[in-house]
Amino acid sequence: QVQLVQSGAEVKKPGASVKVSCKASGYTFTSYGISWVRQAPGQGLEWMGWISAYNGNTNYAQKLQGRVTMTTDTSTSTAYMELRSLRSDDTAVYYCAREHEGGFDDYWGQGTLVTVSS
Amino acid sequence: EIVMTQSPATLSVSPGERATLSCRASQSVSSNLAWYQQKPGQAPRLLIYGASTRATGIPARFSGSGSGTEFTLTISSLQSEDFAVYYCQQYNNWPRWTFGQGTKVEIK
Repeated sequence: QVQLVQSGAEVKKPGASVKVSCKASGYTFTSYGISWVRQAPGQGLEWMGWISAYNGNTNYAQKLQGRVTMTTDTSTSTAYMELRSLRSDDTAVYYCAREHEGGFDDYWGQGTLVTVSS
Repeated sequence: EIVMTQSPATLSVSPGERATLSCRASQSVSSNLAWYQQKPGQAPRLLIYGASTRATGIPARFSGSGSGTEFTLTISSLQSEDFAVYYCQQYNNWPRWTFGQGTKVEIK
């Protein structure tokens, strides 16, 4: 069965960086993209970006351009999302999701809480 | 960027009743519209894609309709496990997808 398992919760200071991992199993990793979505406490879902696991092409939300980098390691079927220059408003649960070729997200990871606090 | 607007923000419904949720796009997204359900402390779950196609394992009481800029998610007879927050998402405007702000379905 398709599973996406994310790394554990992180606490970071403002200005630091965080790197969240998302290990996929149960399907051919390079046949799908991976989306990243975040959710601030009590708020809605925010699309952060997408990476093709086939060729590494990326697209990022305009507001995160320059601070976010998404990568994959096809040898371990793992996707990564790194966010730099963290601010308090980056505190959120970060989700990875498998993006179906149609563009929607059909399987989701369990989420990773990133807390930014001094 | 395409803005997705959901209404109402909160919907109070009694178990067994019908719930109708709306999602409006600021410009046409064709039928490239998905609906997700999220319960507290859980990841979102895909319910509907292509505006009207139920995802694998989704009960028939969930149905989606619409195209262009106006979309509807209908839950025909609410069960206790359906009380949750529902989000619409457009995936037409490559390469940037956007979500609506969500509709919370609560017990009346």
